[in-house]
Amino acid sequence: EVLLVESGGGLVQPGGSLRLSCAASGFSVNDYSVNWVRQAPGKGLEWISYIRGGSDTTFYADSVKGRFTISRHTAKESVYLQMNSLRADDTAVYFCARANFITTTAAYYFDSWGQGTLVTVSS
Amino acid sequence: DIQMTQSPSSLSASVGDRVTITCRASQSINTYLNWYQQKPGKAPEVLIFSSSSLQSGVPSRFIGSGSGTDFTLIISSLQPEDFATYYCQQTYSTPLTFGGGTKVEIK
Repeated sequence: EVLLVESGGGLVQPGGSLRLSCAASGFSVNDYSVNWVRQAPGKGLEWISYIRGGSDTTFYADSVKGRFTISRHTAKESVYLQMNSLRADDTAVYFCARANFITTTAAYYFDSWGQGTLVTVSS
Repeated sequence: DIQMTQSPSSLSASVGDRVTITCRASQSINTYLNWYQQKPGKAPEVLIFSSSSLQSGVPSRFIGSGSGTDFTLIISSLQPEDFATYYCQQTYSTPLTFGGGTKVEIK
C-alpha cells in the first residue's frame, strides 16, 4: 500500500524557518516525482514544488522560489521541504503527493497524497 | 503561467441530479487536465486524469471530457458522498496550476 506521511509543521515567527518531511512507504521516492501542494485556510490548492524521480531536477512556484528547497533522501524514503524566510501568507496545510507518470501518454497526475501538516506563520 | 478558471465556484444540487463543472485554461493544454475531489479536512483524491481517464476505483458516474482549453467534469447522478469540492489541475507545464475549486453543496 502506498502511504505518505507529512510531519514538521507548527507555529513559527515571520522570518523563521521550518523543515517539513514526507515519509513514503509502498514505493521508492527515487522512482517517482514527489510534489508539495499547500492550501491556505479556507482557500484552494496551490502547487509549490516538485522533485523529479530518478534525478535531481526540481521546480518551484514563483511564490516560494529562493525561499524553499525541496530535497530527497533515498535511503530514508523521504522528501523534505526546507522553508526559510517564512511569511504570514505561507500559513497553510502542506501536502506531499506522489505523481504518477504514464510514459505512453505523458499523463501526469497526483495519485497518492499525505494527510497534510499545518504550518502557521505568526508572531 | 497557465491560469485555470473553474465555474461555477459553488453550486447546490440534490441527490440524483446531473452536475456539470467546467474548467478553462488560459492557453491550450492538450488533454493534460486532471480532476480531484476534496472533502473537508481531507487530502484531495484524483478522479480523472488526462481529461477523460477514470482513476481506478472511481465510480463511473464521474465523466471527464475536453481538450485544448475547455474541459468538463460531469457527475451523472449525484450521490450523498459526492458533496465535496472539486479542483481541476493542468500538468502541461510548470507551475502545475489548479483551478479555484467548485464546492458542491446539498440543496
